[in-house]
Amino acid sequence: NAGVTQTPKFRVLKTGQSMTLLCAQDMNHEYMYWYRQDPGMGLRLIHYSVGEGTTAKGEVPDGYNVSRLKKQNFLLGLESAAPSQTSVYFCASRVDRVSYEQYFGPGTRLTVT
Amino acid sequence: AQKITQTQPGMFVQEKEAVTLDCTYDTSDQSYGLFWYKQPSSGEMIFLIYQGSYDEQNATEGRYSLNFQKARKSANLVISASQLGDSAMYFCAMREGGNFGNEKLTFGTGTRLTIIP
Repeated sequence: NAGVTQTPKFRVLKTGQSMTLLCAQDMNHEYMYWYRQDPGMGLRLIHYSVGEGTTAKGEVPDGYNVSRLKKQNFLLGLESAAPSQTSVYFCASRVDRVSYEQYFGPGTRLTVT
Repeated sequence: AQKITQTQPGMFVQEKEAVTLDCTYDTSDQSYGLFWYKQPSSGEMIFLIYQGSYDEQNATEGRYSLNFQKARKSANLVISASQLGDSAMYFCAMREGGNFGNEKLTFGTGTRLTIIP
């Protein structure tokens, strides 16, 4: 049982490049979330999903897109990376409305130059 | 106004002493919840404890307890008998809104705790 995994762990992009971050969970959780963490700040919600095939915007969705084609995977895409998107990205999952606890992945450190 | 305020950017505590990490919150919702997460230097976020706004008893999980004072809107984390492995960043977070995955989770800016041997 790997829990929540994120791929890749580190990435450096040039401005304007695109990439996809993959989040996978093997706990059969319904809800999944993408956050970003910037220095001196707490985590901020980018997008979330309450089930396969559904996604919704969080607090800071601009510049990102997401997809949840399979229940276990939640993809975060950057179509045209900007230096302001340099951050640590965390994925989290939650079983469903029964429990509020969110389980986090190890994070992806992204640098945009 | 800040939704979650953690006023202690850093704390140093002697090993084996108890430590209290402060968290105050601001919400107009009747139904909400408070979390504490630990982030060690390795970077992962580890869930520690949760308190719902309607829970009458303070939450406890092993050495962790949450001192919930609803009237004061505070949800302080108490770690008893601190250990060197407790050195980490600690985040307070608040859940507001519904319970269908769409609730808003707001994090504080964190407190860096260092345990001194």
